[in-house]
Amino acid sequence: QQPVQSPQAVILREGEDAVINCSSSKALYSVHWYRQKHGEAPVFLMILLKGGEQKGHDKISASFNEKKQQSSLYLTASQLSYSGTYFCGTEMGGGTSYGKLTFGQGTILTVHP
Amino acid sequence: KAGVTQTPRYLIKTRGQQVTLSCSPISGHRSVSWYQQTPGQGLQFLFEYFSETQRNKGNFPGRFSGRQFSNSRSEMNVSTLELGDSALYLCASSLLPRDMNTEAFFGQGTRLTVV
Repeated sequence: QQPVQSPQAVILREGEDAVINCSSSKALYSVHWYRQKHGEAPVFLMILLKGGEQKGHDKISASFNEKKQQSSLYLTASQLSYSGTYFCGTEMGGGTSYGKLTFGQGTILTVHP
Repeated sequence: KAGVTQTPRYLIKTRGQQVTLSCSPISGHRSVSWYQQTPGQGLQFLFEYFSETQRNKGNFPGRFSGRQFSNSRSEMNVSTLELGDSALYLCASSLLPRDMNTEAFFGQGTRLTVV
């Protein structure tokens, strides 16, 4: 089941903040966040695991609400380099589901000077 | 440290043909995952290989297959190509199997066009 990302697109001015949400109807084991710039490969941002563990970069923050099966990515004091499409990938866990990521449709973030 | 290398970058094939795409992971990485990216369906997981064994498979028809060699390089094969197979095919490498939740590094992808 594909997770739902919201909003689909957001436009910011440099310095503004944004939140991107990722929701699933299934119980999740982990959520992975990636950013992809046009014509480039997706770049890893963060992994959030059930139980609270996080692995990622210092300048990115995110949360994982296990009860709501929802994750949010927080982009603060946005820079021009933050522009791109943000994808969340969800892993349900259990049996053969481990390691199998299902990605959302993406959120297009545009930062203007 | 060299990144993930995918070859070729662009490919045009005719319906009914078959195609083989290649992915060389980051040195030392033993896990390679393949994804198909299209505007309509987004990023979809194809399969993952670790130490020459397929660990996981997405919901794609049997026309899509892959393998991994002892040097961790991986190939993906699509037989009897259909127009709907036109997509960007991405591979991602990681140090450990994906079910151990390690960071994955993506290659630039192979843009396949089926005419």
